[in-house]
Amino acid sequence: DQQVKQNSPSLSVQEGRISILNCDYTNSMFDYFLWYKKYPAEGPTFLISISSIKDKNEDGRFTVFLNKSAKHLSLHIVPSQPGDSAVYFCAAITDSWGKLQFGAGTQVVVTP
Amino acid sequence: EAQVTQNPRYLITVTGKKLTVTCSQNMNHEYMSWYRQDPGLGLRQIYYSMNVEVTDKGDVPEGYKVSRKEKRNFPLILESPSPNQTSLYFCASSKEGTRSGKTQYFGPGTRLLVL
Repeated sequence: DQQVKQNSPSLSVQEGRISILNCDYTNSMFDYFLWYKKYPAEGPTFLISISSIKDKNEDGRFTVFLNKSAKHLSLHIVPSQPGDSAVYFCAAITDSWGKLQFGAGTQVVVTP
Repeated sequence: EAQVTQNPRYLITVTGKKLTVTCSQNMNHEYMSWYRQDPGLGLRQIYYSMNVEVTDKGDVPEGYKVSRKEKRNFPLILESPSPNQTSLYFCASSKEGTRSGKTQYFGPGTRLLVL
């Protein structure tokens, strides 16, 4: 049973607009969350992360929000650019050396 | 250049024919892991290794073996491949474990088809 869920398999957004990607989790023991970005024929690359002691983390155009009570996190990309077109994976862990649990991914397409 | 390399990148094989996918990193990382990516399921961890001779199962270890005899190499072994192991495989390494997402590097992937 998947503990990390990304219910939107795809998202289309216009260049310059905001992209909002959502992720829900079921395991309350998760205490660290990460977003990865993946282009075709390449491995995933780390994008941004957030600890469960925070509710927001920002890095340039990327902001991750965490709502622990709702077991929900979101990734905001503002403004969206064509180079942001990729698959985005949400992931969560419970300890430093343990298993990364990934969501199924959301394909983002940024149109001109 | 810091990198994780995987070989082969593409492989077509038949059921039951043993195969090995190699993974090598040049960053002196302690932590290495293997994932498989399947449509609708994302990436699922197969095995991970915290250091030489230290390995542990991930979420989907059945049908796979690993070894970590040297720090830089972490091969994935399919003793008797079956069609349900057709997938896209990624190797990853990091210095400090999965919590340090910034320093986790993924290889380019190996696409395996088992007939």
